[in-house]
Amino acid sequence: DAGITQSPRHKVTETGTPVTLRCHQTENHRYMYWYRQDPGHGLRLIHYSYGVKDTDKGEVSDGYSVSRSKTEDFLLTLESATSSQTSVYFCAISESERVQGVAQYFGPGTRLTVL
Amino acid sequence: DAKTTQPPSMDCAEGRAANLPCNHSTISGNEYVYWYRQIHSQGPQYIIHGLKNNETNEMASLIITEDRKSSTLILPHATLRDTAVYYCIVRDNTDKLIFGTGTRLQVFP
Repeated sequence: DAGITQSPRHKVTETGTPVTLRCHQTENHRYMYWYRQDPGHGLRLIHYSYGVKDTDKGEVSDGYSVSRSKTEDFLLTLESATSSQTSVYFCAISESERVQGVAQYFGPGTRLTVL
Repeated sequence: DAKTTQPPSMDCAEGRAANLPCNHSTISGNEYVYWYRQIHSQGPQYIIHGLKNNETNEMASLIITEDRKSSTLILPHATLRDTAVYYCIVRDNTDKLIFGTGTRLQVFP
């Protein structure tokens, strides 16, 4: 399995509080992604990064921000959590983005509940 | 939106081959077909990908039709641990993976 860890693995928080999820990789891959998964919607891309301090928005980026100060870490922040952000969050990595035939490898996920 | 169509569910007996179909009739010439699976509560797992030739690795085989409008993922000897949701994905021109709803494969004893 690819060396990807996510922390925390489970979190319960209250509406309006800030939350930061961490993704850590040991593969030295350039590209990192944050997805959320909800029933009936599959996986949806939130933000991604194509290098240190280089990030871009995905399909469902509203209410989320990201930061990448080191190759190995990609942080996802919910500035003020809402109940609609209750979800399972997956981090993924890949060696390349623009080259076809390159797979993404996913972390174990973080289950976030916003009360 | 996902560019693939898969049956919502399939069953397979343990030890038999599981053949999971996928239609991607609008695939363009430079787009690859990827297969991932997700076992309950775990992150998606990459299985295999291909462009036009058939591919095989330690997990599965991928058969792509000559016109590339459909493909089949083959698990040659399914086990109970292969019970999962299987996603067929055509990588679009923005280079992002777009997951559809997949096929829920149930392997039974």
